[in-house]
This record gives sequence, C-alpha cells and structure tokens, in this order.
Amino acid sequence: DSGVTQTPKHLITATGQRVTLRCSPRSGDLSVYWYQQSLDQGLQFLIQYYNGEERAKGNILERFSAQQFPDLHSELNLSSLELGDSALYFCASSPGLSYGYTFGSGTRLTVV
Amino acid sequence: AQSVTQPDIHITVSEGASLELRCNYSYGATPYLFWYVQSPGQGLQLLLKYFSGDTLVQGIKGFEAEFKRSQSSFNLRKPSVHWSDAAEYFCAVVGTSYDKVIFGPGTSLSVIP
Repeated sequence: DSGVTQTPKHLITATGQRVTLRCSPRSGDLSVYWYQQSLDQGLQFLIQYYNGEERAKGNILERFSAQQFPDLHSELNLSSLELGDSALYFCASSPGLSYGYTFGSGTRLTVV
Repeated sequence: AQSVTQPDIHITVSEGASLELRCNYSYGATPYLFWYVQSPGQGLQLLLKYFSGDTLVQGIKGFEAEFKRSQSSFNLRKPSVHWSDAAEYFCAVVGTSYDKVIFGPGTSLSVIP
C-alpha cells in the first residue's frame, strides 16, 4: 500500500457519459497530480493541485476537470466520454517534487 | 522544452545477468531525475532519484543509476537481475517550472529464467 488511494479501480461506461475518479493523497502531502496513461501517448500530465488550488495544467481536455477539497482528496471529472478516453488514470501525491511522487494504483477506465 | 528519451522499447535479459537501461534527457540546468518501475496492473514505484551531489545514486531493490552531465544521461543498472524485476521502467525529469514530472516512454523488461 503506497498510501495513495484511488477509487474505483475499474470503470466501464458508455460514450457520452460522465464519470468521477477519486484520489486520497498520502497523509501529509499537499500536492496531488493526475496523469493519464495510454499505450500510444504514454504517461501524460493532466493537472496539479496544491492545498486546494490549481497549480499547473498539462494536456487536459476541456471535457475534463478536477478539484481538490479541504480534506485534500481530489476528484477528476471526465465528461462526454469518447472511446479514446479509455486509459489508466493515475493520481500521485508529493510533499515536494525533489522527493518524487507516490502513485496510487490507478483507475482503469474503459469507454464502450 | 524538457524531454526524456528511453532508446530501448523492450529489453530481454537472462536471470542473473547484468542490466543497464538507458535514459537521456533534454534540460538546460541540473535536473531532478528519477527512475520509476511499474509492475503489471500496478502503479508506479520510485526506485531512485538524483538532484545533486554524488552522481552515482543507490535505490531500492538493488538498483543504481549514474548521472552523466556530459552525456545528458541517467542510466539505470543492476548487477544481477531477478525474475521479479520484469516490469516497465520509466525515467523522468522535473520540468523547469518545477510544477510536474515529465516521464519518458518507458522500457519494458523481460527476464528469461
């Protein structure tokens, strides 16, 4: 157990639907990062939150959004889902980048 | 922009043999560098990191990596590979804005008994 908890582990949904992925960071870590992992794109940075505030954005589609709550857990919302959104979505937390990330075990999203 | 390349998409080694996984980065200053390992169906686990000091760093599971500024490389090594080392290995660098980690495409390692 890495200390970063992601739920659900698997999600199967239809095109056009909306889903929410949840992440609880390791205790004490204020930063949460979301990544998408697919075979053709590799690990792509989506967004970072620090203590409730958005800090950095990467290759995140407009159909995707995220937030970090006062208890520091984070949610990634994916809407108007397309087949190409099928991927592994990872959350990672860190006390600071020089320490590296601690990753959760990911949510495997399948859009059918 | 920063980038990380891992020239080898897939490597196969025999159990007990030595291993070297290559990583090259593009970065202006001294980078923060990492190696992560991902076992099938798992998240990524940090093996080791470098950001200053001794250019040879030791990590978990018997891995080490050497930072060579002149070659912009940060290769991962292990003297004797175990079957349980079969996994995907990612080299990574912190972006210049210090706001995220950029990952290489990964090298898949297979171990032959």
